[in-house]
Amino acid sequence: GQQVMQIPQYQHVQEGEDFTTYCNSSTTLSNIQWYKQRPGGHPVFLIQLVKSGEVKKQKRLTFQFGEAKKNSSLHITATQTTDVGTYFCAGDTGRRALTFGSGTRLQVQP
Amino acid sequence: DSGVTQTPKHLITATGQRVTLRCSPRSGDLSVYWYQQSLDQGLQFLIQYYNGEERAKGNILERFSAQQFPDLHSELNLSSLELGDSALYFCASSAGIGTDTQYFGPGTRLTVL
Repeated sequence: GQQVMQIPQYQHVQEGEDFTTYCNSSTTLSNIQWYKQRPGGHPVFLIQLVKSGEVKKQKRLTFQFGEAKKNSSLHITATQTTDVGTYFCAGDTGRRALTFGSGTRLQVQP
Repeated sequence: DSGVTQTPKHLITATGQRVTLRCSPRSGDLSVYWYQQSLDQGLQFLIQYYNGEERAKGNILERFSAQQFPDLHSELNLSSLELGDSALYFCASSAGIGTDTQYFGPGTRLTVL
């Protein structure tokens, strides 16, 4: 079936290091969204990408949508302890509902 | 605060029982989604309603059912509960019918003993 895969599943970094999570779809996505879930919290919308090759930045976070609209990445520069949480991508695969990736759990060591 | 409310926050029940989880979407949102999140797992999409009608179905068990009422609040009914149904159940809402930005509620933590 249509899937959205995310890697890595888990990453532990030292504060100040960079972090990247990757999202790959088996089908072309009309758009992709990113959500962050803090420990014990609920997913919170971060951003939506729609155009092929689109790049958006939010302070230390950089989001990219691949040229083929089948992959996306989230890069965090100089991680902080406030970045701790699980990052989910969610793509519109044409199934009338978003398909969420499995998530990448980020731990930041102070 | 996303504007989406869910009750109850916690629910502890026994196997074989039936429970109802309730969700009120953000003001003005017509779509409601239900997700299941087991411990350290991803978000499993269960079902979506738009303006009272079922819009999309995910991996929802036959023991589970949902509905959206005229005032747009939604209920998820879980019956013949099993230990494996213990999880966080999130409700989300969005404005439109497609794959709009979703706003998640705080979740209901269900524990089946």
